[in-house]
Amino acid sequence: DGGITQSPKYLFRKEGQNVTLSCEQNLNHDAMYWYRQDPGQGLRLIYYSQIVNDFQKGDIAEGYSVSREKKESFPLTVTSAQKNPTAFYLCASTYKTGTGSEAFFGQGTRLTVV
Amino acid sequence: ILNVEQSPQSLHVQEGDSTNFTCSFPSSNFYALHWYRWETAKSPEALFVMTLNGDEKKKGRISATLNTKEGYSYLYIKGSQPEDSATYLCAFIGYGGSQGNLIFGKGTKLSVKP
Repeated sequence: DGGITQSPKYLFRKEGQNVTLSCEQNLNHDAMYWYRQDPGQGLRLIYYSQIVNDFQKGDIAEGYSVSREKKESFPLTVTSAQKNPTAFYLCASTYKTGTGSEAFFGQGTRLTVV
Repeated sequence: ILNVEQSPQSLHVQEGDSTNFTCSFPSSNFYALHWYRWETAKSPEALFVMTLNGDEKKKGRISATLNTKEGYSYLYIKGSQPEDSATYLCAFIGYGGSQGNLIFGKGTKLSVKP
């Protein structure tokens, strides 16, 4: 079955540590996205990638980094510079950007800083 | 930053009631509007992709309309069932500065009581 897989589902991190969230898709989609959700907030865009080896900052990129070395994979690193990293993180993909095509989502990773 | 507003924030209805929610978005540079259903512990799933002013789409008991000139879309659920309980998200895609990425509203959380 085609889809998006995020791992892990729950993640605990100590303050000052970097942590990487995994996102893999087998839909052959060019575009991938990372969103963050906080209580009472909508999904906010962290980074997106339109094609391999290219990515762009979203609205709240500070304290995060990404890579897109393979079409299937778009990992997100939450660095120690992110001041409030506890949140729910959702990865998505679309066929391409600029086509209006529907997004497919993973099941999310809940990150808690302890 | 472009703003997408959804109302109401939450809604409690009885089984069999019909209901509707609103999504407001910028009326300029419109490209597409998406509706997603997000059930607890699952991934958001696309309901409708709407691109033309006056569009009406239907899937079973759920339908949606689109007015791009005034910047709003309505989602209707006829004869709500408990399995319709979910958060309903709308997402706007514009030309130009938004570069094809989705801008989400905060969602409407629907609870249907048996």
